[in-house]
Amino acid sequence: ILNVEQSPQSLHVQEGDSTNFTCSFPSSNFYALHWYRWETAKSPEALFVMTLNGDEKKKGRISATLNTKEGYSYLYIKGSQPEDSATYLCASMKTSYDKVIFGPGTSLSVIP
Amino acid sequence: AAGVIQSPRHLIKEKRETATLKCYPIPRHDTVYWYQQGPGQDPQFLISFYEKMQSDKGSIPDRFSAQQFSDYHSELNMSSLELGDSALYFCASREVSGASPLHFGNGTRLTVT
Repeated sequence: ILNVEQSPQSLHVQEGDSTNFTCSFPSSNFYALHWYRWETAKSPEALFVMTLNGDEKKKGRISATLNTKEGYSYLYIKGSQPEDSATYLCASMKTSYDKVIFGPGTSLSVIP
Repeated sequence: AAGVIQSPRHLIKEKRETATLKCYPIPRHDTVYWYQQGPGQDPQFLISFYEKMQSDKGSIPDRFSAQQFSDYHSELNMSSLELGDSALYFCASREVSGASPLHFGNGTRLTVT
């Protein structure tokens, strides 16, 4: 993988459903993997930054895992709420000084 | 807490004109990134600065230039504007040390007519 990829592109779930999406990134020369939440008409907001293989981070109903050897990260949302509707971006870095390269995002719509 | 400040919020220019976008990073953040987001597209990296020196360059047209000043604010200069330059331009800052996240400004929406 040369670029950061995310799947699915978009997702519609019912309120209360749990969901997850995937970020794939180059596993060579890896430094950090970022997750951001981007609501319409707002700027992206950082959720997690992970660096270690096997890392798992949690923020309320949202959690993320990281596999640096195979180059993927999962973002999980438990019991989705309408306010979770947003685009979720992941981004990777090769060094601390490196540019942060974003994937195309997963657009989540939670239907009340 | 202080956030990343971008100005102006909105800018309307005509083709072939010049535009300057400004970004004021969070105090003590030593790295600034510029991103361009076209309609329906993911953010595209343009350029970054670390300690007032250009650290990386992405898909930035030759018509664009940028710099970071001694007070760490950054300016993106765009000349000979084209219709395709219409986009949302985000600036973000972070501390290089450690795995720190990007902090984004609210963006400048540039419309070229």
